[in-house]
Amino acid sequence: EDQVTQSPEALRLQEGESSSLNCSYTVSGLRGLFWYRQDPGKGPEFLFTLYSAGEEKEKERLKATLTKKESFLHITAPKPEDSATYLCAVWGTGKLIFGQGTTLQVKP
Amino acid sequence: ETGVTQTPRHLVMGMTNKKSLKCEQHLGHNAMYWYKQSAKKPLELMFVYNFKEQTENNSVPSRFSPECPNSSHLFLHLHTLQPEDSALYLCASSQATDTQYFGPGTRLTVL
Repeated sequence: EDQVTQSPEALRLQEGESSSLNCSYTVSGLRGLFWYRQDPGKGPEFLFTLYSAGEEKEKERLKATLTKKESFLHITAPKPEDSATYLCAVWGTGKLIFGQGTTLQVKP
Repeated sequence: ETGVTQTPRHLVMGMTNKKSLKCEQHLGHNAMYWYKQSAKKPLELMFVYNFKEQTENNSVPSRFSPECPNSSHLFLHLHTLQPEDSALYLCASSQATDTQYFGPGTRLTVL
């Protein structure tokens, strides 16, 4: 069965304290892994798409990496404005399968 | 306007009302989606349209009725909803199975 599991469920960091979010997936034939950022009450905002193991993408303080079983979203020197819920998703059988998300809080 | 837009942004309705949610995409995509997002749950896919044809109905109750008149517009017609249907309803679009882009959502409250 296609499945996506994100950990931790919640993460609290001090400003400048780097960390990583994990997305573990089980899918038959990966056709894309997606990272989104979602602010409260708003729609998910697209961040990255990764297609094959070993691929990496960066945007400002964020870097996404992919292996055959999981993806990491590394956050370097986070700022309070990085506080949000980060969602991971993979294409399953005919649809996008989402994880439950990691809610990140960055304190000044 | 650019991207994916949704109206209204907030909606409060009684259980006997009939209302519609509207979504419009300005990205030239050929697929559109409705998702439901409830507190503490992953996004749930409700409906998928490819080239205006419905290709997925994820066991959604008949009180939700989608309509896709063209590849840029998507509606979700609501009638006799239940309080447990209160949620954030999100529209998304994509080019085939490529990246999905989401609208801002409609926050629905059923009294």
